[in-house]
Amino acid sequence: GESVGLHLPTLSVQEGDNSIINCAYSNSASDYFIWYKQESGKGPQFIIDIRSNMDKRQGQRVTVLLNKTVKHLSLQIAATQPGDSAVYFCAENISGNTPLVFGKGTRLSVIA
Amino acid sequence: GAVVSQHPSRVICKSGTSVKIECRSLDFQATTMFWYRQFPKKSLMLMATSNEGSKATYEQGVEKDKFLINHASLTLSTLTVTSAHPEDSSFYICSASARGNTEAFFGQGTRLTVV
Repeated sequence: GESVGLHLPTLSVQEGDNSIINCAYSNSASDYFIWYKQESGKGPQFIIDIRSNMDKRQGQRVTVLLNKTVKHLSLQIAATQPGDSAVYFCAENISGNTPLVFGKGTRLSVIA
Repeated sequence: GAVVSQHPSRVICKSGTSVKIECRSLDFQATTMFWYRQFPKKSLMLMATSNEGSKATYEQGVEKDKFLINHASLTLSTLTVTSAHPEDSSFYICSASARGNTEAFFGQGTRLTVV
């Protein structure tokens, strides 16, 4: 069964605001986490990843936070744009070529 | 980033026929490929893990005789849906990773419709 889940299935934000998408995971052995963006009819697109030896990682307009104590992962998108509208999935695995386990997904809708 | 090409992007087939989906890693050697299935408004569910040169490992509940996976080279894996039925209609997605690299790169997905 799934070991990764999301708190919010949908999220609507105003253009220009910051977005925060949350994810809970249950496998304490997981040491690699990725956020993906999926647009309708397309495959998942890598956004940002983080390993368990870190608690924060920043990319361009995105930040991933990892709290291993409570097994929580979040994706922060700064200055959300209409092009950010999509479904966002967190995924986890254990080091090596093990398959990713995906969370349920959160649909982000950006209101212009 | 690395490129994974999946073909076809869309396919419509008649019930009872078989459909082959290809997944190619274009600029790296994919020692492992994963096949996922995604129903509308749902998450990706792993179907099987395919290592080059060996038999695929299927997840519980996935029929290996119905979903044939071949990973004959380091750049190509195929998924064949045999004797397709309308309930097999779904979005199928492959991903590939190189040896020792946990990052997986995804194909564009294949929308299968069985009529």
